[in-house]
Amino acid sequence: LAKTTQPISMDSYEGQEVNITCSHNNIATNDYITWYQQFPSQGPRFIIQGYKTKVTNEVASLFIPADRKSSTLSLPRVSLSDTAVYYCLVIGGFKTIFGAGTRLFVKA
Amino acid sequence: EAGVTQFPSHSVIEKGQTVTLRCDPISGHDNLYWYRRVMGKEIKFLLHFVKESKQDESGMPNNRFLAERTGGTYSTLKVQPAELEDSGVYFCASSPPLAGGPNEQFFGPGTRLTVL
Repeated sequence: LAKTTQPISMDSYEGQEVNITCSHNNIATNDYITWYQQFPSQGPRFIIQGYKTKVTNEVASLFIPADRKSSTLSLPRVSLSDTAVYYCLVIGGFKTIFGAGTRLFVKA
Repeated sequence: EAGVTQFPSHSVIEKGQTVTLRCDPISGHDNLYWYRRVMGKEIKFLLHFVKESKQDESGMPNNRFLAERTGGTYSTLKVQPAELEDSGVYFCASSPPLAGGPNEQFFGPGTRLTVL
């Protein structure tokens, strides 16, 4: 399973766009890129998933270049409630391996 | 629709005792997973059920851990006897049958286990 590398932490201010980049150099052909969000004392929550190019939903956008060796989660206009840990996962099939995640802290 | 529920939310036991954690997945979700996070470490996969069958139990740490899913509905994870290093948060997740790509897994709130 592909290993992912992402920043340990990031700071932002309310109303800013936040981009979190994840590296997954040995991603396999059948792997998907998935992002989860976790608040303290809660289980991880699915944000977005993609295979290539760009995916957008009501919460975020996911940008994946042609070589798929990295991806960028984009959170538009963050608020204080977006303070959480964000996990980038590369998943083929069912097995899910979590890395350390990126701790995003949104300040007023 | 109810999400994934876990019981208890917290459990404090002494070393050597037995603890059983329960997970109720979302109705209709054939896939059920157990994960755990020990203090300061990453969330680790323990095992995966498809209905009542263990599909992958490669993450189970040792034979003190026993997971069951009788009837393919709720699941239990028993730790017997518990050791200090078993302390952590145990998460359960479920997902619908696979269709064209990895499924979104829906996580429960976790059970915080403390072994004294």
